[in-house]
Amino acid sequence: EVQLLESGGGLVQPGESLRLSCVGSGFTFSSYGMTWVRQAPGEGLEWVSGISGSDGRTYYRDSVKGRFTISRDNSRNTVYLQMNSLRVEDTALYYCTKRSASSHDYWGQGTLVTVSS
Amino acid sequence: QSVLTQPPSVSAAPGQKVTISCSGSTSNIGNNFVSWYQQIPGTAPKLLIYENNKRPSGIPDRFSGSKSGRSATLGITGLQTGDEADYYCGTWDPNLNIGVFGGGTTLTVL
Repeated sequence: EVQLLESGGGLVQPGESLRLSCVGSGFTFSSYGMTWVRQAPGEGLEWVSGISGSDGRTYYRDSVKGRFTISRDNSRNTVYLQMNSLRVEDTALYYCTKRSASSHDYWGQGTLVTVSS
Repeated sequence: QSVLTQPPSVSAAPGQKVTISCSGSTSNIGNNFVSWYQQIPGTAPKLLIYENNKRPSGIPDRFSGSKSGRSATLGITGLQTGDEADYYCGTWDPNLNIGVFGGGTTLTVL
């Protein structure tokens, strides 16, 4: 059974940092791309960042470029999202997803990031 | 403002059929696979349709997907109260070099 377990969310002030982690199990982690998708309270889904399984290529939406860094440790079956210079508008539930067949085929339960002074 | 456009809401009676549209551009929907997700309030999204019209194991055939040109459509037949949820389309946008989602459609089963 595929499982994705996120952690690392919390309440921080604007300008501070957080590192999210997502541990995958039940599949060959290194073979799949992984992404982070967020959902602000009462809002829709927003694709944030992705990392390929094969060559570790990374992708970011413009609003997080230069502030967020996605990485993966295949030996630990873990994908990370380092978030620096956090803004109020980054407040959201952050989901980790597994990529397959051009889709997000599995989602974690999410970890909540709240940026507030 | 989402890159992909969906109607904010749709509704239909139990047992009826409903369709949800997703409109994009030649570069995103027109040249990439579309997937659909169901999000029941308070839970994580779940994959319903991938590669335009394929259903993952465990998804009933009441759910179907299609794509034509720059638009995609999710169809749900035999509506049940348990189908009440938010539905999102998604694809890749090579111009932005990121994944994109529609704004979501809330389905109400009256």
